[in-house]
Amino acid sequence: QKEVEQNSGPLSVPEGAIASLNCTYSDRGSQSFFWYRQYSGKSPELIMSIYSNGDKEDGRFTAQLNKASQYVSLLIRDSQPSDSATYLCAVSNYGGSQGNLIFGKGTKLSVKP
Amino acid sequence: DAGITQSPRHKVTETGTPVTLRCHQTENHRYMYWYRQDPGHGLRLIHYSYGVKDTDKGEVSDGYSVSRSKTEDFLLTLESATSSQTSVYFCAISQDLSGNTIYFGEGSWLTVV
Repeated sequence: QKEVEQNSGPLSVPEGAIASLNCTYSDRGSQSFFWYRQYSGKSPELIMSIYSNGDKEDGRFTAQLNKASQYVSLLIRDSQPSDSATYLCAVSNYGGSQGNLIFGKGTKLSVKP
Repeated sequence: DAGITQSPRHKVTETGTPVTLRCHQTENHRYMYWYRQDPGHGLRLIHYSYGVKDTDKGEVSDGYSVSRSKTEDFLLTLESATSSQTSVYFCAISQDLSGNTIYFGEGSWLTVV
């Protein structure tokens, strides 16, 4: 059973701080990694994707991937109250039998003003 | 939002009754998906479609059937609703299986009493 694990939180950080969200996955064949943000009562929206080891930066967001450790993380710099949401880690084994996404259960982030 | 419309958005139904949820897209994407999202379980794939009349099961397909007679429409049917099918249902679409182009609809809240 392929699994994606996340700390459910809630993770609480003060405004302006760095929020660090972590995710581990079980399938070593996984090839693509994604972070989705989901506001309460809304649908998930893709905010970051990463495919190779290392860091990928997009504005205040940095995704980090370590395939040897089967670990992917998301850093949010200068956190804002508007970043308060649930963050879903998703892993794809594109090229496998289905190529569909396996989602973690999500980490709830709360940014306090 | 990508051109995805789910209907109904909210429904309350009684145990044992049939229920059909509709997903309509205007993006002409090949792949369509139905997920359910529950507290403590995250997003789980029910069924997906890779073309007209081409569908396959996901992780939690028992009790559900799907049909896709047109590129733009993907129907999810609960033949005889049970309380365990109370959930939020998300339709999603993508151009390919890479995971990088998946977009979610706004969700359908289903309560089975």
